[in-house]
Amino acid sequence: GDSVTQMEGPVTLSEEAFLTINCTYTATGYPSLFWYVQYPGEGLQLLLKATKADDKGSNKGFEATYRKETTSFHLEKGSVQVSDSAVYFCALSTNAGGTSYGKLTFGQGTILTVHP
Amino acid sequence: DTGVSQNPRHKITKRGQNVTFRCDPISEHNRLYWYRQTLGQGPEFLTYFQNEAQLEKSRLLSDRFSAERPKGSFSTLEIQRTEQGDSAMYLCASSQGTSRDEQYFGPGTRLTVT
Repeated sequence: GDSVTQMEGPVTLSEEAFLTINCTYTATGYPSLFWYVQYPGEGLQLLLKATKADDKGSNKGFEATYRKETTSFHLEKGSVQVSDSAVYFCALSTNAGGTSYGKLTFGQGTILTVHP
Repeated sequence: DTGVSQNPRHKITKRGQNVTFRCDPISEHNRLYWYRQTLGQGPEFLTYFQNEAQLEKSRLLSDRFSAERPKGSFSTLEIQRTEQGDSAMYLCASSQGTSRDEQYFGPGTRLTVT
């Protein structure tokens, strides 16, 4: 079945450091890939997405490129801020034969803490 | 439009009791999903509605769980004879049309079974 694997956390960085959170996936069909973020005390929010190979999703300085050859969708940001402290989830949805209805399969999440 | 809302936000119940949660999706969204999230894990899919029809259920959804979406608007998730293992955050999400559309999540209902 479909699965998503994220790098183990938590991740602790100083402000303005470079961020990479690794995400790899296994899926049938041609998945869409997502990064969701959960800030403390808030619900899940879509951060960015990519729907086909080589697409780059970007938002709020974060980027991720859909790499079909390596089945990866790593999240990057050049300079993190304290306000980026949150839990980040990589996820996929497939529409294999039109039967999966877009349900999301999530990774286990990566806790990011950014210190001033 | 205020987004997806869920009620209650927190529920504490004793083992063996029944509980019901409500989700109000974004008004023009015809797809509605329920997920369950336990501590330190990502959300896991439970069930999916397109309008009022429940089209998919996860094997995680035991016979004690039932979900409805009458008239294709709000949805309810009921758990009968709760067990301590049911303690989790229950998340609702909605989306507009196709399987590639973004899902918008509610704040969740945190269930604690004592």
